[in-house]
Amino acid sequence: DAKTTQPPSMDCAEGRAANLPCNHSTISGNEYVYWYRQIHSQGPQYIIHGLKNNETNEMASLIITEDRKSSTLILPHATLRDTAVYYCIVRVHNAGGTSYGKLTFGQGTILTVHP
Amino acid sequence: NAGVTQTPKFRILKIGQSMTLQCAQDMNHNYMYWYRQDPGMGLKLIYYSVGAGITDKGEVPNGYNVSRSTTEDFPLRLELAAPSQTSVYFCASSYGGTGELFFGEGSRLTVL
Repeated sequence: DAKTTQPPSMDCAEGRAANLPCNHSTISGNEYVYWYRQIHSQGPQYIIHGLKNNETNEMASLIITEDRKSSTLILPHATLRDTAVYYCIVRVHNAGGTSYGKLTFGQGTILTVHP
Repeated sequence: NAGVTQTPKFRILKIGQSMTLQCAQDMNHNYMYWYRQDPGMGLKLIYYSVGAGITDKGEVPNGYNVSRSTTEDFPLRLELAAPSQTSVYFCASSYGGTGELFFGEGSRLTVL
């Protein structure tokens, strides 16, 4: 699975959009970009994933560059409850063999939302 | 629909003791996983299962054992606990081998 690079921390004002970047320059053609978050030592929570098209759900939007070497997770109206560690993970979508369930969690980005 | 349920939430063990962390899911997911997370670090895969009766090692399996006799349950057994096993343990499940995992709230284990 391709490695990812994220800034260690970011700040955002409540009500504003939070844009979290992720670099994955070695991503392969069949690898998806996944985003998870972990709020204060709770279990990680799946947010969104995508292959090459931009994706949106009720939690966030995912923007993937045309060359797929980087992506941005957008929380459109950040709230205090969005303060968490955000993980960007790259892997094949429906894995086989030794890739089963192997989500490689790095250090992530600590997002702090301020009042 | 409770999702993924882990018990106990907290446990203190003495060196050399054994225990079992319980994990149950009610989403009829065939894949289940055990991860551990050390302070300030990311998650590491201990064991996973692709269905009842089928388990396999992840990145850090030493000191642990698992079994999967039913679709719903995936217990993690710690034999001869060591201080290096002090960690937060997360159980997760998914439908198929996709990257969309559902995690439990974690079991915080301290070995003294």
